[in-house]
Amino acid sequence: AQSVTQPDIHITVSEGASLELRCNYSYGATPYLFWYVQSPGQGLQLLLKYFSGDTLVQGIKGFEAEFKRSQSSFNLRKPSVHWSDAAEYFCAVGATGTASKLTFGTGTRLQVTL
Amino acid sequence: EAGVTQFPSHSVIEKGQTVTLRCDPISGHDNLYWYRRVMGKEIKFLLHFVKESKQDESGMPNNRFLAERTGGTYSTLKVQPAELEDSGVYFCASSQRWSGRTEAFFGQGTRLTVV
Repeated sequence: AQSVTQPDIHITVSEGASLELRCNYSYGATPYLFWYVQSPGQGLQLLLKYFSGDTLVQGIKGFEAEFKRSQSSFNLRKPSVHWSDAAEYFCAVGATGTASKLTFGTGTRLQVTL
Repeated sequence: EAGVTQFPSHSVIEKGQTVTLRCDPISGHDNLYWYRRVMGKEIKFLLHFVKESKQDESGMPNNRFLAERTGGTYSTLKVQPAELEDSGVYFCASSQRWSGRTEAFFGQGTRLTVV
């Protein structure tokens, strides 16, 4: 069965600093990978997704993620964080052959200091 | 186009009571999913409907949870009787197709607190 690990429970960065959130997955084949964000009082919003092809994927709000098969990782990055990026971020992997039934990590809460 | 809508946004009930959560998927989405996140843990899959049929209910924790999707439109998730460990955020999601690269769209969640 697939699994997702987000080793950082909580991260604090200064506004304007760069950000990298880590995600490692366990899956037997080429995975479907996702990053979701949940801002306070909001639902889960899809930031970006990887199905195949170019291993560097661009998402909304200036986020990007890189799929590294050799490291089983799909880390999320942003060059310059804004205060509005404070939220909880979830990495997820799709079950075999589907992007709809997801296995999530435990989430990383991002705090942004001014 | 309206997104996935969940009602209520918050619910506080006493242990032993019954609570019913509702999810309205995106119009035209045959696939509907329920997920749950208990405090500090990962978001976990509960079950999957295709239209009105339960395709996969492998994540349902026990028989105190009953999900329905009459007519293949909105879905309800009933917890009866509620226990303290049922507290958490319940998410609903929907998608057009089950297989392939069809992503699911999530609602804002219902925060359930059992006291």
